[in-house]
Amino acid sequence: NAGVTQTPKFRVLKTGQSMTLLCAQDMNHEYMYWYRQDPGMGLRLIHYSVGEGTTAKGEVPDGYNVSRLKKQNFLLGLESAAPSQTSVYFCASSRGRSGNTEAFFGQGTRLTVV
Amino acid sequence: AQSVTQPDIHITVSEGASLELRCNYSYGATPYLFWYVQSPGQGLQLLLKYFSGDTLVQGIKGFEAEFKRSQSSFNLRKPSVHWSDAAEYFCAVLGVREYGNKLVFGAGTILRVKS
Repeated sequence: NAGVTQTPKFRVLKTGQSMTLLCAQDMNHEYMYWYRQDPGMGLRLIHYSVGEGTTAKGEVPDGYNVSRLKKQNFLLGLESAAPSQTSVYFCASSRGRSGNTEAFFGQGTRLTVV
Repeated sequence: AQSVTQPDIHITVSEGASLELRCNYSYGATPYLFWYVQSPGQGLQLLLKYFSGDTLVQGIKGFEAEFKRSQSSFNLRKPSVHWSDAAEYFCAVLGVREYGNKLVFGAGTILRVKS
């Protein structure tokens, strides 16, 4: 019963380095989301996807790219990390607007950019 | 664009007292609304959801919320708070179709419980 799995759980990057965060879900969900959580700002939507091969920008997309090549995976990339991208990143998935649209969350990835 | 406002950043209540956390949303159609809870260092857990029908919805852990269309509100309530309810609470709205199918969260309310 894995649900939504994020890897890695922790990472420290140097400014300018790149990395990819992986989100995997085993619930056959259509929708997947990437959020960042910062103190006092709640969860802000970075990018999201409403199906395999589709992505869309959220509230704070700059500095991030995403891909949804397979339905079960949603990748978040940082091409050139900046200290402002230090945050906790959450991935979520949901069945979509038909049926139960509850979103299920991963446990988060704590990223520090130094 | 859809948005969610949680006016209270912090709330402190005594154990056993009642609780109400406020949530106001901006959305041009009937919304899908959610309340999530996050304990320190953890992910988010769904407390309850409103899709349609009865405007008073029951959730887990003794929580309930009432959808009031006229006030664009979806406030979370609990009759008697337990120390284990101390956490951060998030209200969220799902905008469908022309709103891009985005799930948008409020900034959260941190609940502290006094013994």
